[in-house]
Amino acid sequence: GQNIDQPTEMTATEGAIVQINCTYQTSGFNGLFWYQQHAGEAPTFLSYNVLDGLEEKGRFSSFLSRSKGYSYLLLKELQMKDSASYLCAVRDSGGYQKVTFGTGTKLQVIP
Amino acid sequence: DSGVTQTPKHLITATGQRVTLRCSPRSGDLSVYWYQQSLDQGLQFLIQYYNGEERAKGNILERFSAQQFPDLHSELNLSSLELGDSALYFCASSEGLGTGYGYTFGSGTRLTVV
Repeated sequence: GQNIDQPTEMTATEGAIVQINCTYQTSGFNGLFWYQQHAGEAPTFLSYNVLDGLEEKGRFSSFLSRSKGYSYLLLKELQMKDSASYLCAVRDSGGYQKVTFGTGTKLQVIP
Repeated sequence: DSGVTQTPKHLITATGQRVTLRCSPRSGDLSVYWYQQSLDQGLQFLIQYYNGEERAKGNILERFSAQQFPDLHSELNLSSLELGDSALYFCASSEGLGTGYGYTFGSGTRLTVV
């Protein structure tokens, strides 16, 4: 099975940088995803890591350490529209490649 | 528009009733996934289909069932509805198993059981 932990809520200031952490325990690992979800809307894909290291995509970066079961999502130059929930999701290495989502971190960006 | 179409967008029904939620995956995607999201809770995996065959089951109640048709659209049937079944139901699709592009989600069906 899989267990995914993220902070429930975070607050950050517009223009600043925020790091959202995710730790996971899994019997088999085949990739980690980050999604953004605005309230009442569908999650949208942000990033994917399967190897250790940093993946950068514009203002968003995601880091993975497989040995530590740890990932973070880094958001730079925060904008008000970044206020949303950020979901960490882990895919297992079994035949079904099932993806399990964490409960998400609700980020509030304040002026 | 993500390319994944879910209907209806909203559904209000009474306890004990039965409803069907419909999902058309993005063109070319063979895998369909159903998730339930209750208020302030995470996405709970229900069931996965790949090219018409059931591939994985999550915490799906026996009152719920699903299928994927030859044209790859999928339906989720919820019966003997209870108040606790009120939630957002998302369908997602992906082109296959083990891709690095994540899932594409539909806009969801908001089910309210009264």
